[in-house]
Amino acid sequence: ETGVTQSPTHLIKTRGQQVTLRCSSQSGHNTVSWYQQALGQGPQFIFQYYREEENGRGNFPPRFSGLQFPNYSSELNVNALELDDSALYLCASSLAGVQNYVYTFGSGTRLTVV
Amino acid sequence: GNSVTQMEGPVTLSEEAFLTINCTYTATGYPSLFWYVQYPGEGLQLLLKATKADDKGSNKGFEATYRKETTSFHLEKGSVQVSDSAVYFCALSVSAGNQFYFGTGTSLTVIP
Repeated sequence: ETGVTQSPTHLIKTRGQQVTLRCSSQSGHNTVSWYQQALGQGPQFIFQYYREEENGRGNFPPRFSGLQFPNYSSELNVNALELDDSALYLCASSLAGVQNYVYTFGSGTRLTVV
Repeated sequence: GNSVTQMEGPVTLSEEAFLTINCTYTATGYPSLFWYVQYPGEGLQLLLKATKADDKGSNKGFEATYRKETTSFHLEKGSVQVSDSAVYFCALSVSAGNQFYFGTGTSLTVIP
């Protein structure tokens, strides 16, 4: 059983650019959540995708958007990057409808905006 | 709103010492409570959870009891090991399957 895989592991972007982060969910999971973890802070919920649709969103502007694909993998897109977007972005997969709170987190993508 | 406040770090302990990391919460509704652990370069791993008042979550020698009257979920371990060195996050969820609210994390270093 594979876990959650995120790519790339690190990247550096310039302010104003756009970035796409990718996440492959754990086998058997159908829901993907994205979190932003700034340095020294706890993860903050960005949004969740279920059945290829957004299923809940945190306090993030519309320039943060996402996709979920039929194989349950997901992308996080961030437009017009700002310096404050520098963070570790975590993806977590789970199985909807099973109330055991089993979420599998990936190791994250470290984004640096310069 | 929903939020978690946890003990500021970093915490440094000698091996076999007793560990307590404090966590308190505010929540709309009836939350479930969690402790996650993050080892260097890795993602978050669920350490333990409790879904109703007075429940005790436990795993790998760690314990935490859901105290509704004090809105707390303190993490304890009787004898820490070097391998317990990590960052510990307290978290809550108010609806199954949806978002977690995390504390800021407490870094623990255990020295031999």
